Amino acid sequence: GAGVSQSPSNKVTEKGKDVELRCDPISGHTALYWYRQSLGQGLEFLIYFQGNSAPDKSGLPSDRFSAERTGGSVSTLTIQRTQQEDSAVYLCASSSQGADTEAFFGQGTRLTVV
Amino acid sequence: KNEVEQSPQNLTAQEGEFITINCSYSVGISALHWLQQHPGGGIVSLFMLSSGKKKHGRLIATINIQEKHSSLHITASHPRDSAVYICAVRSGGNEKLTFGTGTRLTIIP
Repeated sequence: GAGVSQSPSNKVTEKGKDVELRCDPISGHTALYWYRQSLGQGLEFLIYFQGNSAPDKSGLPSDRFSAERTGGSVSTLTIQRTQQEDSAVYLCASSSQGADTEAFFGQGTRLTVV
Repeated sequence: KNEVEQSPQNLTAQEGEFITINCSYSVGISALHWLQQHPGGGIVSLFMLSSGKKKHGRLIATINIQEKHSSLHITASHPRDSAVYICAVRSGGNEKLTFGTGTRLTIIP
């Protein structure tokens, strides 16, 4: 596609429910990143996928968070047993391979846990 | 101490003023990004730098690798420039971005 696409754009869920957030990166981009931005806070790294390599999960805040990337393209971030502190904007970005390449961001998914 | 520090945190200026936002970092980097985030909007990448200076329209970004410092300048500022500007770095061998806390810029007509 023309840009990074995320869905849904907004999600309201009850505490304790599981949610899935989807990211469709730019076609051909091998690197995919998930970040989150809590209200009034800066951006926080969650997880990074690069091609077929094992993902860098060092930013996932708890074992309730997981992500997968199927076929090297679309990625799904899953949050199990959501808590109110999970409320944030979840942003996905993609780039072509290499540390010196530009990252392109999606519009984000605003998650509200009530 | 955060790896990436930005200043100022908030900046209000009159339309037409020359704007400078600063970013200092404490680690060796492979690239530095300047990002723009409008209220309620997504993030747009403005520049990616590993050395020197880049210019795009009224925006100029510079980086000094030895001093571990970068600046984003906006000439002839306009109310539509009002946004949060975020500095982010990639450190060597690690492709994830580490972000500064952002600078909220408000340009008053």
